[in-house]
Amino acid sequence: AQKVTQAQTEISVVEKEDVTLDCVYETRDTTYYLFWYKQPPSGELVFLIRRNSFDEQNEISGRYSWNFQKSTSSFNFTITASQVVDSAVYFCALTVVGRSQGGSEKLVFGKGTKLTVNP
Amino acid sequence: DAGVTQSPTHLIKTRGQQVTLRCSPKSGHDTVSWYQQALGQGPQFIFQYYEEEERQRGNFPDRFSGHQFPNYSSELNVNALLLGDSALYLCASSLVGLGYEQYFGPGTRLTVT
Repeated sequence: AQKVTQAQTEISVVEKEDVTLDCVYETRDTTYYLFWYKQPPSGELVFLIRRNSFDEQNEISGRYSWNFQKSTSSFNFTITASQVVDSAVYFCALTVVGRSQGGSEKLVFGKGTKLTVNP
Repeated sequence: DAGVTQSPTHLIKTRGQQVTLRCSPKSGHDTVSWYQQALGQGPQFIFQYYEEEERQRGNFPDRFSGHQFPNYSSELNVNALLLGDSALYLCASSLVGLGYEQYFGPGTRLTVT
């Protein structure tokens, strides 16, 4: 079975601080995808990044960066110079390739980390 | 290009009643997945429809059922509602073979009183 753990329930920072959201995953499969989603108060899940299990290169997109380490089964997310608009709940998720019987693979989510950025 | 749409936005029902939620997938997508997100929790997979058949199912009772229509839209039905069914219900669509690219709708907030 797959499992995603986000140990940080809530984080509060002051604007312009850097913040890292932790994600640890469990799977016995060798081919999988990891994701980060942002959920603002409106409720819609906003896709941020997808990383497959064979690509351990870190990625940077503007103020966002992701650190994928298979050795520790972690996929951490860092926001540099946080802004008030970054306040949201962030979810890490995992999907295993090839498990579906037709159709697509299901996502397994962590419980989320609520980030509050104060002005 | 329309994204995933869901209706209604909000719904209030009484225990024991039945409810139907609707989802239209993103244009070009053929697979619809449903997730339940209780307050303060991450989304939990309910089931998935492809080619009008249920392909995968999460750990949810038979009170939760669904349907997919020829135009790929989908319905989620919940019978004999319980207070614990109160949650945000999210629909995600994808294209078979590209299941790692799932697009989510805005959700339906169901409150059971």
